[in-house]
Amino acid sequence: EPEVTQTPSHQVTQMGQEVILRCVPISNHLYFYWYRQILGQKVEFLVSFYNNEISEKSEIFDDQFSVERPDGSNFTLKIRSTKLEDSAMYFCASSRTLNNYGYTFGSGTRLTVV
Amino acid sequence: QQQVKQSPQSLIVQKGGISIINCAYENTAFDYFPWYQQFPGKGPALLIAIRPDVSEKKEGRFTISFNKSAKQFSLHIMDSQPGDSATYFCAASVQGQGGSEKLVFGKGTKLTVNP
Repeated sequence: EPEVTQTPSHQVTQMGQEVILRCVPISNHLYFYWYRQILGQKVEFLVSFYNNEISEKSEIFDDQFSVERPDGSNFTLKIRSTKLEDSAMYFCASSRTLNNYGYTFGSGTRLTVV
Repeated sequence: QQQVKQSPQSLIVQKGGISIINCAYENTAFDYFPWYQQFPGKGPALLIAIRPDVSEKKEGRFTISFNKSAKQFSLHIMDSQPGDSATYFCAASVQGQGGSEKLVFGKGTKLTVNP
């Protein structure tokens, strides 16, 4: 079964450093998403991406965040200057079409900011 | 208005019992209601989903009941097994700006099925 692949599985970074979280969506999917889950809390929408541009972003997705699809296969989330409160699991997801009614999530990257 | 309220927060059931998790929403723009199962260290995995024009959907031991007028939906797990022990999230989908679908999640229910 096709999978969404995320790397690394765990990243530890110092406060103020830049991090890039990487995702390889399912190959024929067109819509890409990032969600995050702070430990023990619900999964929250960050951003959606289609046709090489952001479709929608949440209030969490401020100027410190950016997304990119640099080469047609990878989908990245960059946090420019990490804060302690950015510590969370970050999930990438993709879906094939609009109104597909169901994403496939990756296994996540656990980001720890120290 | 974009919230999905989920209860209970945790649930302990004996093997063979029925697990019931409830969710409620307010935004009538939600047009798709999936349930996700999450094991520790893994991403949410789609379990079963329903659209608001259907009152019930069954897949194996998992059933969603949907009450559009009450804006409530629930997950029933029949013959619960220890392997069902996981965190379950209800969610609701709404079309966001730019046409993509955005999921709004409930806070999750940690289900423990005792052998």
